[in-house]
Amino acid sequence: EVQLVQSGAEVKKPGESLKISCKGSGYSFNNFWIGWVRQMPGKGPEWMGIMYPGDSNSRYSPSFQGQVTISADKSISTAYLQWDSLKASDTAMYYCGRQKGYSYPIDYWGQGTPVTVSS
Amino acid sequence: SYVLTQPPSVSVAPGKTANITCGGNKIGSKSVHWHQQKPGQAPVLVIYYDNDRPSGIPERISGSNSGDTATLTISRVEAGDEADYYCQVWDSGSDHWVFGGGTKLTVL
Repeated sequence: EVQLVQSGAEVKKPGESLKISCKGSGYSFNNFWIGWVRQMPGKGPEWMGIMYPGDSNSRYSPSFQGQVTISADKSISTAYLQWDSLKASDTAMYYCGRQKGYSYPIDYWGQGTPVTVSS
Repeated sequence: SYVLTQPPSVSVAPGKTANITCGGNKIGSKSVHWHQQKPGQAPVLVIYYDNDRPSGIPERISGSNSGDTATLTISRVEAGDEADYYCQVWDSGSDHWVFGGGTKLTVL
């Protein structure tokens, strides 16, 4: 069974750094892309970027380029989304998802990681 | 960048048919995917490549895409279909994914 299990809820202060994770199981992690999606409270999803764990090829939405970093450790089948300096506007739910190819849709979603940034 | 437009809400009585639209410039030339999101849950892919269903998705959920409008159709609507539905396309022009704003389906 394909599963993507994300790390737990985070509460941070503005300016702090954060790295959240997404662990894949039940499939060949290195051979599928992992995408990240932001969903702000009461809003629709926004695509942030994507990475291919097999060769670390990554691409970002222009809205998120330079704001976050997507990475992966294929030895433990885990993808990451990180911020160097959080802002209050980063408060949202963050989802990872598996994609068969760069232009294929997410076919399996993680359960989501809620991030709250507040002073 | 490419914009997808969905009606904020659609209401339908149980047993009837719900049609949820997703508008975009020449969207018929793109592949449209649909995700269902129930309150407090992660999204679930229900239609991909306009009208294909992942395993486990009932046949009464279908999709179509032509011209400037893609449509998600849910036949014989049940209370369990109440959710937000999002359309999604790959915009090759800007080389990234785009989501619609979402439609809340209410079962009366």
